[in-house]
Formats: sequence, C-alpha cells, structure tokens
Amino acid sequence: DAKTTQPPSMDCAEGRAANLPCNHSTISGNEYVYWYRQIHSQGPQYIIHGLKNNETNEMASLIITEDRKSSTLILPHATLRDTAVYYCIVRVAEGRGYNKFYFGSGTKLNVKP
Amino acid sequence: DGGITQSPKYLFRKEGQNVTLSCEQNLNHDAMYWYRQDPGQGLRLIYYSQIVNDFQKGDIAEGYSVSREKKESFPLTVTSAQKNPTAFYLCASSIGQGSISNTGELFFGEGSRLTVL
Repeated sequence: DAKTTQPPSMDCAEGRAANLPCNHSTISGNEYVYWYRQIHSQGPQYIIHGLKNNETNEMASLIITEDRKSSTLILPHATLRDTAVYYCIVRVAEGRGYNKFYFGSGTKLNVKP
Repeated sequence: DGGITQSPKYLFRKEGQNVTLSCEQNLNHDAMYWYRQDPGQGLRLIYYSQIVNDFQKGDIAEGYSVSREKKESFPLTVTSAQKNPTAFYLCASSIGQGSISNTGELFFGEGSRLTVL
C-alpha cells in the first residue's frame, strides 16, 4: 500500500520551474509528507517535508492543499543535475514510537537543455 | 564525517546461500530501516528498528532476518528462503520519534547490490 500516487515521468526545460504533483488522498491528520530524490543507483536524498503548511528551503518549495489530499514539489530553477527520480512519501507514526515511511514508484524528472 | 555505511557495495551469491549485508551509522540515530528496491520500482520496507534489541517486520520481511544488538549497527541477512533476492538494498536511519528536534527525515546509505547467480 504505497499511499501516494505520482506520474511516472515528467520533462522540464533547464532554468524553468519543475512542478511535481503527488496525490495522497488517504492521508491522516498526523501523517507527514516527505519528498526525496534518487539519482541512479545511489541512496535517496532528502529534499523537504511538511504537515499542513507550505514549506520552503534552499532546494525546493512544498505546496500542500488545504484538504491535504495532494501536494506539489517545486524546483524553482531546474538544472541538468536535478534529473532524478523524485519520491513523494507519507510518514506514518505507528505505536511504540515507530515511524514507517511509505514510498511510491516516484516520478522520473528529465531536465532538458 | 557522520553518515551511514553499507557494505559490501556489490555482492554475488549462489542460490541456497545466506548472505549478510552490513549497515553501520555514526549519527547516534535510534531508528534504522532496511528497504529493497527492484529495477524501476520504489522502495519497499523489509524491517525496521526503533531501539536496541527490538525490531519490526515491514511489508516484505519473508526470507529476511535482522538483529539490533548495538545502536550503530543493523545487519540484514538474506536467507535461502528468499525466493527472488536479486535487488538493490538500502539501509536508512532517523533520529526517532521521541526527539524534540525530530525532523523525522531518513538518512540513507549508498546501497548494496545483491545478485544471485
């Protein structure tokens, strides 16, 4: 049960904003949304996370809809090095202090010159 | 530098053999995780652990075993009972739910690629 749905691939022109959507329609009130990216055959890299409010850091912005059923990751000025698979993840707090992170299949972002 | 170290990076195994993948972290994290990734797929959770001497099955635990005797170490054994073990294995850690400064993010190692011949 992946809990998230993402398009399998997207293209973006270099220098333009990349907007990556994610649906998480079954998310519960205390479950966080995380975004990671993975460059081929490496460990995934953390990008950003949020619960209800929009978030911004030096890498990206995260826009979460008011009903929390979907979110969008925004890379403001995509570069060729941003070509990667981007994962939208829901973190579920389980009993006894455990967290589980549910990964979907991700979106392959192709940044083109 | 602080981080997560997985070894070996590449491993070949004959059918019927058990193999153990190492995962060590010096981040002082309480929680550790093992994921499996197949080509073109997302990550699936095998086992996870919040504290020493305690761990939980993930979504695909059959054919795998783990131990958590030390906070820094969370080795994964792929047993002969795992019917399709060829995959990319990723270990991760996080601070743990109880921490005040818990952003909850996962830190990943660089992975171990297991091939069964």
